[in-house]
Amino acid sequence: DTAVSQTPKYLVTQMGNDKSIKCEQNLGHDTMYWYKQDSKKFLKIMFSYNNKELIINETVPNRFSPKSPDKAHLNLHINSLELGDSAVYFCASSQAPGRFDEQFFGPGTRLTVL
Amino acid sequence: AQSVTQPDIHITVSEGASLELRCNYSYGATPYLFWYVQSPGQGLQLLLKYFSGDTLVQGIKGFEAEFKRSQSSFNLRKPSVHWSDAAEYFCAVGPSGNTGKLIFGQGTTLQVKP
Repeated sequence: DTAVSQTPKYLVTQMGNDKSIKCEQNLGHDTMYWYKQDSKKFLKIMFSYNNKELIINETVPNRFSPKSPDKAHLNLHINSLELGDSAVYFCASSQAPGRFDEQFFGPGTRLTVL
Repeated sequence: AQSVTQPDIHITVSEGASLELRCNYSYGATPYLFWYVQSPGQGLQLLLKYFSGDTLVQGIKGFEAEFKRSQSSFNLRKPSVHWSDAAEYFCAVGPSGNTGKLIFGQGTTLQVKP
């Protein structure tokens, strides 16, 4: 059973397009996250939702919009894609947004913008 | 501001040799510290974590880490490395606030020679 799953695994698209990445967790967790890993493997949090409420909104362009239809799903929509958006995007979840709660990561979505 | 530094970008060890990966943090209060491992093409998996108590923490896959407050360090160790340990290792700190936000170091790539 996959705990945190993401679709698609790979996404290749042209500049200016709009795309979405989906994330689902079957762990019964309340909190979900989106991270961006750049080409140097640096990981940075983008967003976090707890019980469908946005609790972390880091400094990311407005072109990025997360949506959480329910506790088990957190999607990431990106408008007007740019070359610099090329990265691996990881979804994660945790039982709660506490500081000591283990975060479980999905396998990542590699986005390539041409 | 909170930060995490992993001084070694890349480390190569022979199979069977001991391993130590360094992690230094900058944090004003008691840190919540984590080590994650990322195997090629995979998401991150938690190896171990520390909040309080015994400063020597045991994790999965035979890893351990030692918290040294005086040195602001949380180094990861393994007495005998296996070829399957080749991966990217990330140290992270959980900052203040109840958001679950993790701040990651830049990662250390471990290569294992046969």
